[in-house]
Amino acid sequence: GENVEQHPSTLSVQEGDSAVIKCTYSDSASNYFPWYKQELGKGPQLIIDIRSNVGEKKDQRIAVTLNKTAKHFSLHITETQPEDSAVYFCAASSNGQNFVFGPGTRLSVLP
Amino acid sequence: NAGVTQTPKFRILKIGQSMTLQCTQDMNHNYMYWYRQDPGMGLKLIYYSVGAGITDKGEVPNGYNVSRSTTEDFPLRLELAAPSQTSVYFCASGQSGTEGEAFFGQGTRLTVV
Repeated sequence: GENVEQHPSTLSVQEGDSAVIKCTYSDSASNYFPWYKQELGKGPQLIIDIRSNVGEKKDQRIAVTLNKTAKHFSLHITETQPEDSAVYFCAASSNGQNFVFGPGTRLSVLP
Repeated sequence: NAGVTQTPKFRILKIGQSMTLQCTQDMNHNYMYWYRQDPGMGLKLIYYSVGAGITDKGEVPNGYNVSRSTTEDFPLRLELAAPSQTSVYFCASGQSGTEGEAFFGQGTRLTVV
């Protein structure tokens, strides 16, 4: 089955700097890759996603890149703000619904 | 719009007790899921359902049962609680047939002592 790895497990950046979180997956059939943000005491919330026919997608300060050949995808957050502090999860799916999640990255944005 | 609602938010169980975690969604989604989240770990799929009357095992189904009698509700049952089931449980729902987001509930923090 699918296996998703995620690095780093924790990440601290200064406010205004960029943050990058990387994930790898094992199943070449996976074709949908969402990223979720989980704030303390809340459920995960989708922040951006990418499909296998696209190499990059941007939404304001957030971007995701996908390299299908290497089976890895990354989340890029620019101009980080304190409210970006949270746990971020990547996930992979081959059918758009049954997701396998990475172990998460705890991002701390220091003022 | 309530989205996905889970109850209770917190619960402490004694070993061997049973309980049902409730989950309801008002988005008319066909797909529903139960995940558990252990400290420092990602979300592990327990059970999922692709529609009313249909359920299937996920990665970690042992010790749990589910039912899906309606589109809206997807309760998770623990029959004989064990300390290994101490976790945070998340219910989620999603639209079928499309690559779309899963909407998560707020979670239920369960402690088995």
